[in-house]
Amino acid sequence: EDQVTQSPEALRLQEGESSSLNCSYTVSGLRGLFWYRQDPGKGPEFLFTLYSAGEEKEKERLKATLTKKESFLHITAPKPEDSATYLCATNTDKLIFGTGTRLQV
Amino acid sequence: DSGVTQTPKHLITATGQRVTLRCSPRSGDLSVYWYQQSLDQGLQFLIQYYNGEERAKGNILERFSAQQFPDLHSELNLSSLELGDSALYFCASSVAVRQETQYFGPGTRLLVL
Repeated sequence: EDQVTQSPEALRLQEGESSSLNCSYTVSGLRGLFWYRQDPGKGPEFLFTLYSAGEEKEKERLKATLTKKESFLHITAPKPEDSATYLCATNTDKLIFGTGTRLQV
Repeated sequence: DSGVTQTPKHLITATGQRVTLRCSPRSGDLSVYWYQQSLDQGLQFLIQYYNGEERAKGNILERFSAQQFPDLHSELNLSSLELGDSALYFCASSVAVRQETQYFGPGTRLLVL
């Protein structure tokens, strides 16, 4: 069964303290790995799509990387406005979302 | 702002009732997806429509149905509502039929009393 697991469930960082969020997946026929940011009570906001192992994408303080079994979202020198839940999802014949990492800065 | 609109923002109703949620996709997007997000289950894919036709089904209950109209807006109908149907319902859209990058609307918060 296709599965997406995110860790940690929650993370509290000091402003400027860099860290990484993990998304591990077991899916067949991966057609993309997506990262979204979600603020409380709002719709997920698209951040990145990664398609192949070794691919990296950056946006401001965020960098997403992909291996054959997992993806990382690196947050460099976070600010309070980076506080949100970060969701990853894999695309096979449908999007399967992880349960997210709640980040508080 | 993703360009996806959803109405209403909030909905309060009673058990056994029927409601309709509406979604307008981003301009140019042909695919519409519906998701349910509850506290204990995260984001669950319900159903996808592409250019008016159903293309994929997820964990959608038989009491729920959806359709996409010629102007590409979509409606999700929820009937015989139960307390457990209380959740956030999101609509997302994408350009093509394959589930590549999806852009989400602001959601409809449904409370069943």
